[in-house]
Amino acid sequence: GAVVSQHPSWVICKSGTSVKIECRSLDFQATTMFWYRQFPKQSLMLMATSNEGSKATYEQGVEKDKFLINHASLTLSTLTVTSAHPEDSSFYICSAASGVYNEQFFGPGTRLTVL
Amino acid sequence: EDKVVQSPLSLVVHEGDTVTLNCSYEVTNFRSLLWYKQEKKAPTFLFMLTSSGIEKKSGRLSSILDKKELFSILNITATQTGDSAVYLCAVETSGTYKYIFGTGTRLKVLA
Repeated sequence: GAVVSQHPSWVICKSGTSVKIECRSLDFQATTMFWYRQFPKQSLMLMATSNEGSKATYEQGVEKDKFLINHASLTLSTLTVTSAHPEDSSFYICSAASGVYNEQFFGPGTRLTVL
Repeated sequence: EDKVVQSPLSLVVHEGDTVTLNCSYEVTNFRSLLWYKQEKKAPTFLFMLTSSGIEKKSGRLSSILDKKELFSILNITATQTGDSAVYLCAVETSGTYKYIFGTGTRLKVLA
């Protein structure tokens, strides 16, 4: 199967700072990448869908100005949590898909803790 | 509104038991149903189901889809403590690659 990496795997930051999370497809070109958020003991909630070279599509209730998504190349998407607050502390997971594969491939996730 | 519902929410069994996890869905433009196992990190893929009535099997795990009744089950036989995890069901809608995840079933297998 295809491999997706995320960096960093965990991050701790102060309230008010911005944090960038990278998602890379290592051995395939991802036309579409997805960003999920998972709070403790809850399921994955889709935040946004991004297609290479175009603006991300955000799910209802997700602030696009707070969660900036960039999908500048077929192998890299970034999620920037701006002005992070403790309630943004969560597990952020990306996934990648392409026309070659009929499924999403998940990255290992990034655990964000905002103090 | 599209939704995926899993049951039970949690389950505690003893090693050697057989468990059945349920996933029902209501979505427009169904494409496939997927099962994942999640331990401490991101979900790991188990099965993708697209056709009704065809069982998919991998070792002690098996799954089947009923597109008429809009549900799927995941069976685990001879459970082991290593099966303890959250099992997630997701439904993909056609043409989008978008997955809608269920709430998950938290399985704990006691030695």
